[in-house]
Amino acid sequence: NAGVTQTPKFQVLKTGQSMTLQCAQDMNHEYMSWYRQDPGMGLRLIHYSVGAGITDQGEVPNGYNVSRSTTEDFPLRLLSAAPSQTSVYFCASRPRLGSPLHFGNGTRLTVT
Amino acid sequence: ELKVEQNPLFLSMQEGKNYTIYCNYSTTSDRLYWYRQDPGKSLESLFVLLSNGAVKQEGRLMASLDTKARLSTLHITAAVHDLSATYFCAANAMDSNYQLIWGAGTKLIIKP
Repeated sequence: NAGVTQTPKFQVLKTGQSMTLQCAQDMNHEYMSWYRQDPGMGLRLIHYSVGAGITDQGEVPNGYNVSRSTTEDFPLRLLSAAPSQTSVYFCASRPRLGSPLHFGNGTRLTVT
Repeated sequence: ELKVEQNPLFLSMQEGKNYTIYCNYSTTSDRLYWYRQDPGKSLESLFVLLSNGAVKQEGRLMASLDTKARLSTLHITAAVHDLSATYFCAANAMDSNYQLIWGAGTKLIIKP
């Protein structure tokens, strides 16, 4: 049982480049979300989805897009990378609201 | 708007000692979560606390919840080096589609 799988683990981008962070889960969880983690700031929600075809913005959505075409996959797109997007990104899922989140291993992104 | 504050943010302690991490939240929430994160790793769920007076224990860790005081505590008994990690609390934002609002984390270092 793989759980939540994120790729890549590390990525370096130049300012203005775009890329997609991949997230897949095999637990049939309806709820999926993307967080960024910055030192001393805890986790901040970027976007989330309560099911296939349904997405919504979190606390810090600017500069990011998401889609949820299947239950399993929830990719995060950086439209035009900026140094302020240098962070560690975590994808998480849970079977229902209120359940604990299951986290992926994270993607460390550096934008130069 | 729900805000979550943890203290202390950093704690260095000796093996065998007891200590408590505090988590305050600013508005009503229906549940409180505790997570652990090892350096460079993902987050692991420790406890979910649902009701006033709830207490949960796992090994040397015990979490409790006082909903009237809007306070949760994570108590460490007779600390051992393996408990060194960063501990996060998070609360459900009931007025924001039950999104989790996170504390900044407490970095715990336990010296042999």
